[in-house]
Parts: sequence; C-alpha cells; structure tokens
Amino acid sequence: DIQMTQFPSSLSASVGDRVTITCRASQNINRYLNWYQYKPGKAPKHLINAASSLQSGVPSRFSGSGSGTDFTLTISGLQPEDFATYYCQQSYITPPTFGQGTKVEVK
Amino acid sequence: EAQLVESGGGLVKPGGSLILSCAGSGFDFSYAWMSWLRQAPGKGLEWVGRIQSKAAGESTDYAAPVKGRFTIARDDFRKTVYLQMSSLKIEDTAVYHCTTGGGYDGFEDWGQGTLVTVSS
Repeated sequence: DIQMTQFPSSLSASVGDRVTITCRASQNINRYLNWYQYKPGKAPKHLINAASSLQSGVPSRFSGSGSGTDFTLTISGLQPEDFATYYCQQSYITPPTFGQGTKVEVK
Repeated sequence: EAQLVESGGGLVKPGGSLILSCAGSGFDFSYAWMSWLRQAPGKGLEWVGRIQSKAAGESTDYAAPVKGRFTIARDDFRKTVYLQMSSLKIEDTAVYHCTTGGGYDGFEDWGQGTLVTVSS
C-alpha cells in the first residue's frame, strides 16, 4: 500500500494567517492527490483533486500544489470556518490511502 | 446538490452483524461509484470499500482488514448503497461514511456518517 505522511500533525494559527500543510507519498502518485476538510459531526468536504484542482464551491483561499511524491495545501488568509482537520489522500492505486491528518487549531 | 444520508448504526456485540444503508439524492445515482469509509475514535480516515456503477460492471473492492467480512451492494432503483458487516470486531468501532466516487477523482460527496460501536 502507498503510505501517505502529513506534517505537521497539528498547528496553531490565527485568523488571517497563511497556513501550509505538507503531504508526502511513499512512491510516485503523479498528481492523483486529494485534500479533504473534516469537522466532527459534519460531512467531510472534498477541497481539491488532481493535486491542484479546486472543487466547485471551495473558496479560492485554498490552493494545492505538487506532483510525484510531495504535495502542499495552502490556506491564504485563514477564516474562522477553516479551523478543522485536513487530510490528504492518494487515488493513484487501490487501496486509496490517507495521511494521518493535520489539525488546524486556534492560536 | 448531492446529499447522502447514512443509517443503521448502533451497538453490536463482537462477532455480530449489522447492515448500514446510505440513501443518495441530488445526483444520478445509477452512474455513481459509491464508497464507504470510516473513522475510528481518535484515528484518521480509512477506506473500507467501494462499488462501481452498473455501467462499469458493479465490481467491488475492499480494504484488507474487512475483506471477507464486509459486503457492499447497491440498489439503483432505491438510490441506496448498503454495507453488510459480519463477524464484527472491536476494532471496527467507528463512524462510517458513505461517499460518491472512490476512483481517480477521489471521494466527492460525503454523508455525515453513522456510528457503529462493537462492544460486549
């Protein structure tokens, strides 16, 4: 299975900050990389697919980049509703696998 | 807008069985691949399995920890996907989410989830 490693596992930030989360795959996954936002008790939200393609309705402050094994999710101008846990996921090879998550907390 | 609503969760003893349902609306259910994922308490997201659309052959795939114990089926007329779970283990305790997709484009739309607790 492809291992996905995310870092940091948590971070503290303030509204308006720029936040960057990194995801590394254990082998080349081209650009088959997705990002999700997870809030307890709510339906998770698919933010980005194909490494950098924003899903419909996702604010433009979210952006993704990378290819091969190294990827990043950037939130430019953190908003109160962005405090959540973010997961990366590779969709290149079955089984699809997730990073362990990055919790974005209020500073 | 796609909506997915899971149901059927609850408390079950180790070795027991449970069937989860997920009703879809707001999208063309018959053409959608459908997946199940879970999140155990304090843990991250884990893929459970998926079923392709009928047009794609309705093939199923499962994660190693559940293969042989869990079965995914779909009823396109009722716009519902099912997760039949048997020989349940304590480590199957989790919130189970159904999603659309599960192929190269990832997991597109998600339900809020239903809690399954396996405990004696």
